[in-house]
Amino acid sequence: ETGVTQTPRHLVMGMTNKKSLKCEQHLGHNAMYWYKQSAKKPLELMFVYNFKEQTENNSVPSRFSPECPNSSHLFLHLHTLQPEDSALYLCASSQVPDEQYFGPGTRLTVT
Amino acid sequence: AQTVTQSQPEMSVQEAETVTLSCTYDTSESDYYLFWYKQPPSRQMILVIRQEAYKQQNATENRFSVNFQKAAKSFSLKISDSQLGDAAMYFCAYPSNFGNEKLTFGTGTRLTIIP
Repeated sequence: ETGVTQTPRHLVMGMTNKKSLKCEQHLGHNAMYWYKQSAKKPLELMFVYNFKEQTENNSVPSRFSPECPNSSHLFLHLHTLQPEDSALYLCASSQVPDEQYFGPGTRLTVT
Repeated sequence: AQTVTQSQPEMSVQEAETVTLSCTYDTSESDYYLFWYKQPPSRQMILVIRQEAYKQQNATENRFSVNFQKAAKSFSLKISDSQLGDAAMYFCAYPSNFGNEKLTFGTGTRLTIIP
């Protein structure tokens, strides 16, 4: 595997479910990111981890819980989501301050 | 708040022709980066080109070049000799912190290539 990978690629979950999104980067970068991409809205930065430390939480609801166990892996734990949370969730990594490399995304549908 | 504006939600161009996508941003910084990203229908976002604000010369990557007007806070992307594979959403992005971790994206321009 090369670049930034994300699993699963598609996820359908009920509002009472708990699920996790996984991101892995194979680029040796020191920062990782979660973004939310909704239709007709700009890409929204959710969380930033720099050297495994969270450096940004962009007022994200607590039903989204990130975890960064090491500089290569990033998780987004989901619980009691709302239908408006349905979106494409993109993971990215970078070697600060260089450009960010994105994964293919997880298409999340909350029913 | 930092803002990035892409005023063209959709653009189309004939194959082999040239097209320019516009982007304006708002900042009080003097030294920063600017990025153009491409998101094809398969959804993988990839970097097209980046510009460092302290450099006078406009960045160029093969058929892609920018017209960077620092005073006007304008950062347009020119695609020459358009190809079918250029069809995608194009996003302009500006970092709101020095490490470029906090990117603010525009709403995007959907580019269609007409065969």
